[in-house]
Amino acid sequence: QQQVKQSPQSLIVQKGGISIINCAYENTAFDYFPWYQQFPGKGPALLIAIRPDVSEKKEGRFTISFNKSAKQFSLHIMDSQPGDSATYFCAASLNTGNQFYFGTGTSLTVIP
Amino acid sequence: NAGVMQNPRHLVRRRGQEARLRCSPMKGHSHVYWYRQLPEEGLKFMVYLQKENIIDESGMPKERFSAEFPKEGPSILRIQQVVRGDSAAYFCASSRQGNTEAFFGQGTRLTVV
Repeated sequence: QQQVKQSPQSLIVQKGGISIINCAYENTAFDYFPWYQQFPGKGPALLIAIRPDVSEKKEGRFTISFNKSAKQFSLHIMDSQPGDSATYFCAASLNTGNQFYFGTGTSLTVIP
Repeated sequence: NAGVMQNPRHLVRRRGQEARLRCSPMKGHSHVYWYRQLPEEGLKFMVYLQKENIIDESGMPKERFSAEFPKEGPSILRIQQVVRGDSAAYFCASSRQGNTEAFFGQGTRLTVV
């Protein structure tokens, strides 16, 4: 059973556009939600993370929007650049912190 | 500060051999997670360890796989009698405590021939 559901599977965006990736979860005990970026042949790199006590967090061109009542959170990449082309994973963890449950990933391609 | 260090980066083993993967966490981190990733797939949890303790091994196959994180030295993921299906990228991540920022290494790509 997939604890965190991620969509879309792939995304193509024009340079300068906004990339939006969505995730949904069921377990209300999740209380930490990170996003990771992974380039081919590399390890996942932590991008940005949020806890449920805030509805939005922004770091540079990356923003997480969090909707606790809907049990959904999303990553917005503003002014998308070709260098943003990578696979993005959302994740969630419980307050026990035993593991991170990952979404299935979104392959983002930003075309010039 | 050095990041999470994994070695080797690439490992080739024949069926039936043992694979030993090493992970040195970031300085000050005492929590280690191991994940497996198949091509074009997501990250599957295997095991969560703190120094000298296995906290959660619910994702680890019951046979042939083991992990440790000794008081001194790196965390080790050990796969005995490897089979073709063990071919994957194995990543470890470390954090200062659970349920907080976790940083991944570059992974070990295991190929079983």
